[in-house]
Amino acid sequence: EPEVTQTPSHQVTQMGQEVILRCVPISNHLYFYWYRQILGQKVEFLVSFYNNEISEKSEIFDDQFSVERPDGSNFTLKIRSTKLEDSAMYFCASRKEGTGDTQYFGPGTRLTVL
Amino acid sequence: AQKITQTQPGMFVQEKEAVTLDCTYDTSDPSYGLFWYKQPSSGEMIFLIYQGSYDQQNATEGRYSLNFQKARKSANLVISASQLGDSAMYFCAMISTGTASKLTFGTGTRLQVTL
Repeated sequence: EPEVTQTPSHQVTQMGQEVILRCVPISNHLYFYWYRQILGQKVEFLVSFYNNEISEKSEIFDDQFSVERPDGSNFTLKIRSTKLEDSAMYFCASRKEGTGDTQYFGPGTRLTVL
Repeated sequence: AQKITQTQPGMFVQEKEAVTLDCTYDTSDPSYGLFWYKQPSSGEMIFLIYQGSYDQQNATEGRYSLNFQKARKSANLVISASQLGDSAMYFCAMISTGTASKLTFGTGTRLQVTL
């Protein structure tokens, strides 16, 4: 069964450094998402991406965040200058077509900013 | 704006018993969908079940069923015949057709299945 994959599973970085989180969505899916979950808290929407552009972003997704689909398979989230409060689990998700279609989540990348 | 409320931070259930996890929602959109996801201690988010706002029947997937009461704006998850492997966090989430289909999550319920 196809699944969303994410790398790395855990990333440790120093405050102020840039990080790139990578995702490979399910191959026939058209909509891509990033969510984050600060430890012990609920999952929060960051950004949605469709047809090679951002379709919606939350207030969390400020100028230090960017997303890219550099090729036909990868979907990346870049954080330019990490802050301590960026420490969280970051989930990538994808879905096929139609609003009701399920979003399938990757296993997540745990980002720790020191 | 959409909102999901899960009022049970933690629940205990004995193995083989049924358990209901509560979820209420608020939205002004006429068309929406409701999801339940399971998050075990390993951290991944596992899709369990989906209910569309116009679906006539309550959704079922194996041991999972969704008790959808539209007038009360509730979408409770029922797990029948609980197993030890059901111990996890459970999140209720909503999607609205008028948006880019982002999911709005509740705060979750931690379920512990005991012997």
